[in-house]
Amino acid sequence: QKEVEQDPGPLSVPEGAIVSLNCTYSNSAFQYFMWYRQYSRKGPELLMYTYSSGNKEDGRFTAQVDKSSKYISLFIRDSQPSDSATYLCAMISSGTYKYIFGTGTRLKVLA
Amino acid sequence: DAGITQSPRHKVTETGTPVTLRCHQTENHRYMYWYRQDPGHGLRLIHYSYGVKDTDKGEVSDGYSVSRSKTEDFLLTLESATSSQTSVYFCAIGGRGDNEQYFGPGTRLTVT
Repeated sequence: QKEVEQDPGPLSVPEGAIVSLNCTYSNSAFQYFMWYRQYSRKGPELLMYTYSSGNKEDGRFTAQVDKSSKYISLFIRDSQPSDSATYLCAMISSGTYKYIFGTGTRLKVLA
Repeated sequence: DAGITQSPRHKVTETGTPVTLRCHQTENHRYMYWYRQDPGHGLRLIHYSYGVKDTDKGEVSDGYSVSRSKTEDFLLTLESATSSQTSVYFCAIGGRGDNEQYFGPGTRLTVT
């Protein structure tokens, strides 16, 4: 079993929809959680960074962490065609160097 | 954008030849990483560095070596390239303290 599981998609939604992207993990020591957006043939771009449980909002993006369920989510409101990309989750324990990444979910927002 | 550049951006090489990829940062960050990204596997850590001359292995380090003689440069060497090392290679900086990790633009390597 992988430490981090992420549905690869593709996930297709109409423009303006609310998108929900998710990752589950098995290591309860993870404390820092990140979401990256990666456009085709580009490097991952850090979107959201959260520590421990709770919500964090930045514009149209909301990151949610539920440590009790070992589940993290990224919500995108009013999705746009420019949001079409692969979204990667990542997490790390305190005091280590090793980030663990999900395999990514490919999102297509249709105009 | 974090000041990270990678060179070359694209390379085609033959099996058995040595290859060196360079990562350069202008952020003066202590921690640097090399990943490879392959379909179905996501990002996998090859090596990382926690300071000048301080490096350690990641999960897929066989066939790769690294060097860091200056804070700003982290080199990845494929000692004798194989077709299984055809991949996209990303350098990243960050971690320990801020825990936010930033990636370079990537190097697309093809081994024929």
